[in-house]
Parts: sequence; C-alpha cells; structure tokens
Amino acid sequence: QVQLQESGPGLVKPSQTLSLTCTVSGGSISGGGYYWSWIRQHPGKGLEWIGYIYYSGSTYYNPSLKSRVTVSVDTSKNQFSLKLYSVTAADTAVYYCARVMARAGDFDLWGRGTLVTVSS
Amino acid sequence: EIVLTQSPDFQSVTPKEKVTITCRASQSIGSSLHWYQQKPHQSLKLLIRSASQSLSGVPSRFSGSGSGTDFTLTINSLEAEDAATYYCHQSSSLPHTFGQGTKVEIK
Repeated sequence: QVQLQESGPGLVKPSQTLSLTCTVSGGSISGGGYYWSWIRQHPGKGLEWIGYIYYSGSTYYNPSLKSRVTVSVDTSKNQFSLKLYSVTAADTAVYYCARVMARAGDFDLWGRGTLVTVSS
Repeated sequence: EIVLTQSPDFQSVTPKEKVTITCRASQSIGSSLHWYQQKPHQSLKLLIRSASQSLSGVPSRFSGSGSGTDFTLTINSLEAEDAATYYCHQSSSLPHTFGQGTKVEIK
C-alpha cells in the first residue's frame, strides 16, 4: 500500500526558504503513470495547488508561485521535495504532498500534511 | 485560471437525509472534475474521479454527475461519519484549482 509522508521544519523565518520532503513508501516513484505534487491549505481556508513533477524531472508550477518555487525528485531515495523561497507570513499553511493520476489528473493519494509557520 | 464555485458553503443535515453539493466551473472542463472529502484535522480523500467514476473503498452512497460546467456530488442517506468538508477540483487545465469547499454538518 503506497503511503506519502511529509517532513521538514515547522517554523521558517520570513525571507528564508521553506524546504519540505515527501517520502513515498510501498511503491516506486519511478513507476510511471503518476505525477507527484505539492498542495497547500492556508489555516481555515481552501486549497492551492503549488506544482508537480514527473519522475523524469519534468515540472509544472502554479503561475502564482512559479517565481519562488522549485520541486525536485530523488528517485534513489523515493522522495520528492519542495523549496519555496523568500517566504512571508502569507506562506503559513498546511503543506500536503499528493500523488496525481497522470491520465485523469486527480490527486488519488495524499500525505497527512505538515503545518509550516512563517514567523520570526 | 478556471474558477470553481461550490454551493452551498454550509449545509446542516439530519442522518439518512440526501445531500446535494454543486460545483460550477467558469469555463467548460469536460469531465475533468474530481471530488474530495476532508474530515476535521485530517487529510483529503478522493471520493469521485472524472465527474462520475466511483472508486474502490468509497461507500456507494457517494455519487457524482455532470459535465462541461455543472457538476453535482450526491450523498444518499447521510451517515454521521460523513460530517466533513467537500471540495471539487478541476484538472482540465493548469493551474489545477479547487472549489472553496462545502461544510456538511450533522444535525
């Protein structure tokens, strides 16, 4: 059974870089047929797609965040990662990693999410 | 960017009642519309794929319909465990976007 788990600092200072990793267990990230995505949810609010990556390294980002985001993949560790640069308090959110069915485009599997607070 | 508008924002329902949530897209998205359930303090769970495709492990009381710009999630005979916020999501064009959510409360 495939599972996803986010990890990384829960507190980041303003202007610094938010870095999160998603570890995929129970299946290979290189299996094909899926994209690997980051989504965030501001406290008490809705959902915002950040971007996703294919195991080959192809990436797609939300234009609203594109200038500050990098998503990367490490197939040897079965992980993919998020870097969000120059963060502000507005980046405080629960960050989820999720698997995306390449054909239909749905997020069929989600991690538990991790709260990242941007504060000095 | 495609905007998804859900209605209602909130619904208080008695058990065994039928629940209908609608999602309207700002432009046609075919059947590239998916539904998720988020229980309090939990992650999201995919309920319906591609507007109407049922999924293994999801109770049969959940169903979806629609195409183009208008979509519906129906919960037949609501159970207490269905108290949650429900989101629609479109994958027709980038960026992916979500509806604002519909919170379903059990009376």
